[in-house]
Amino acid sequence: NAGVTQTPKFQVLKTGQSMTLQCAQDMNHEYMSWYRQDPGMGLRLIHYSVGAGITDQGEVPNGYNVSRSTTEDFPLRLLSAAPSQTSVYFCASSYSKTGAVGELFFGEGSRLTVL
Amino acid sequence: SQQGEEDPQALSIQEGENATMNCSYKTSINNLQWYRQNSGRGLVHLILIRSNEREKHSGRLRVTLDTSKKSSSLLITASRAADTASYFCATVVGGDMRFGAGTRLTVKP
Repeated sequence: NAGVTQTPKFQVLKTGQSMTLQCAQDMNHEYMSWYRQDPGMGLRLIHYSVGAGITDQGEVPNGYNVSRSTTEDFPLRLLSAAPSQTSVYFCASSYSKTGAVGELFFGEGSRLTVL
Repeated sequence: SQQGEEDPQALSIQEGENATMNCSYKTSINNLQWYRQNSGRGLVHLILIRSNEREKHSGRLRVTLDTSKKSSSLLITASRAADTASYFCATVVGGDMRFGAGTRLTVKP
């Protein structure tokens, strides 16, 4: 059971380039989310999804796009990378049946540097 | 902001001592969760406490929730060097889960 898998683990981009961070889970979880973690600031919620076809914005959505076409996958797209998007990105999923998200299972993170 | 704020930012104790971390938040929540993060790794869930619960235990962990004060505490008893990590509280309102900046715990052998 792989859990939550993120790729790539490391990426270096130039300002203005685009890329997609991939996230897949094999636990049949309805809920998936993306966070970024910056030093001294904890994790900040970017986008989340409560099921296929449904996404919503979190605390810091600007500059990021998401879609949820399947239960398993929740890719995060950076359309035009900026140095301020240099961070460690975490994908997480949860089996959420009651409307309030429960225990999150995290991936190992993707470290992105934008030059 | 819904987001939890942990206190203290850093805590250093000797092995065998107890460690207490606090979390305060500002809005009504569905549940509050505590997570642990070892350096360079993803977060690992420790415990979830619902808004209608006051205390929960899991092994050496004890979590309390006071919704009237909008605060929670995490107690780790008989700490071990392997407990060295960052600990985060997270508040949940529906599908929106927000994390605080964390408490860095160092347990010295």
